[in-house]
Amino acid sequence: LAKTTQPISMDSYEGQEVNITCSHNNIATNDYITWYQQFPSQGPRFIIQGYKTKVTNEVASLFIPADRKSSTLSLPRVSLSDTAVYYCLALNTDKLIFGTGTRLQVFP
Amino acid sequence: GAVVSQHPSRVICKSGTSVKIECRSLDFQATTMFWYRQFPKQSLMLMATSNEGSKATYEQGVEKDKFLINHASLTLSTLTVTSAHPEDSSFYICSARRSLNTEAFFGQGTRLTVV
Repeated sequence: LAKTTQPISMDSYEGQEVNITCSHNNIATNDYITWYQQFPSQGPRFIIQGYKTKVTNEVASLFIPADRKSSTLSLPRVSLSDTAVYYCLALNTDKLIFGTGTRLQVFP
Repeated sequence: GAVVSQHPSRVICKSGTSVKIECRSLDFQATTMFWYRQFPKQSLMLMATSNEGSKATYEQGVEKDKFLINHASLTLSTLTVTSAHPEDSSFYICSARRSLNTEAFFGQGTRLTVV
């Protein structure tokens, strides 16, 4: 199983771009990188998924370099409501194992 | 995205009683469902993985006789906490996915308090 490593916490201010990097050195060939957002007392919410290069949707972008040993979630112009914990996971495994996640705090 | 409904959202029970939590995939068939528990300010800890029609696979350290998981259909899985104790108080979350390499969708979680 691919183990993921993320920074424990990050701080930002409203309107800034936030980049959260995840390391997954032993990612398998068939694994997809998926990011989730979790607010307190709620289940995680799917944000974005990718295999390589760049993926963009209405809320975020995901950058995955050619070697796929890391990935970066980019949140453009964060707001206070983006304060949450963000998790990256490697999919296409039998289990979904969560790492520590990154606790993002957005300040006014 | 797909919807996973978890019920109840919160429950209080007395020590020694059993509590059942339901997890339903409302608009897709889930070949695999996962059950997690989460303590305050900690990450989700996988308890077990269940595939429809077969026995659940429990993670090391999770008592299968205490946490009964049934995945009776492609849209329903249940977790029963038997003979609950205060230390079982936690936030329980289920997840469902159609197949490998597809994203998993999560329920809203169940806050269990054992008094």
